[in-house]
Amino acid sequence: LAKTTQPISMDSYEGQEVNITCSHNNIATNDYITWYQQFPSQGPRFIIQGYKTKVTNEVASLFIPADRKSSTLSLPRVSLSDTAVYYCLVGDGVGGTASKLTFGTGTRLQVML
Amino acid sequence: DSGVTQTPKHLITATGQRVTLRCSPRSGDLSVYWYQQSLDQGLQFLIHYYNGEERAKGNILERFSAQQFPDLHSELNLSSLELGDSALYFCASSGKAGMTYEQYFGPGTRLTVT
Repeated sequence: LAKTTQPISMDSYEGQEVNITCSHNNIATNDYITWYQQFPSQGPRFIIQGYKTKVTNEVASLFIPADRKSSTLSLPRVSLSDTAVYYCLVGDGVGGTASKLTFGTGTRLQVML
Repeated sequence: DSGVTQTPKHLITATGQRVTLRCSPRSGDLSVYWYQQSLDQGLQFLIHYYNGEERAKGNILERFSAQQFPDLHSELNLSSLELGDSALYFCASSGKAGMTYEQYFGPGTRLTVT
């Protein structure tokens, strides 16, 4: 069962790039890494997902080293509206006793002017 | 709007009681996941159903149970409630069984046990 840890909080200024790291030392072969964004009183919202190396979409990039024991979410040029809590989720969700979904501890990102 | 609906939005009940939380997935999604979010435990995976069948269990207590019906909606039953069960309960749906598909989360049900 993957245990995932993240920094509790981060501060940034508008226009800067923000990198949030998730540590998942016990990641299993079948596990994917997914990042979600959560605003207060709302459900988490999908940002990006990857298995290895680098994935990029229109809002973020995800870097996963070869050993897959960590991952880094990169948000380019953040704005005030990116102030939220960011979670990594590790697991395959397919089923079976080895299949678990583990959320990270969450990183509260505060973007300032 | 994710397309996932959850009812009720808020629920206040007493210790020892039983409640049922309901989730309707996005149209066409076969997978439903339940999560619990509390201040001290964070977001915890409870259980996953795919097309009516249980696929994976997480940190779900024996006092809790869930099912997914033929119309694909799901219910989470919480019994013998304790103060510590107070939390936000989210369901999420996805089109397939595996993690290679993003999950869409509902707005949550806030449960308060007094």
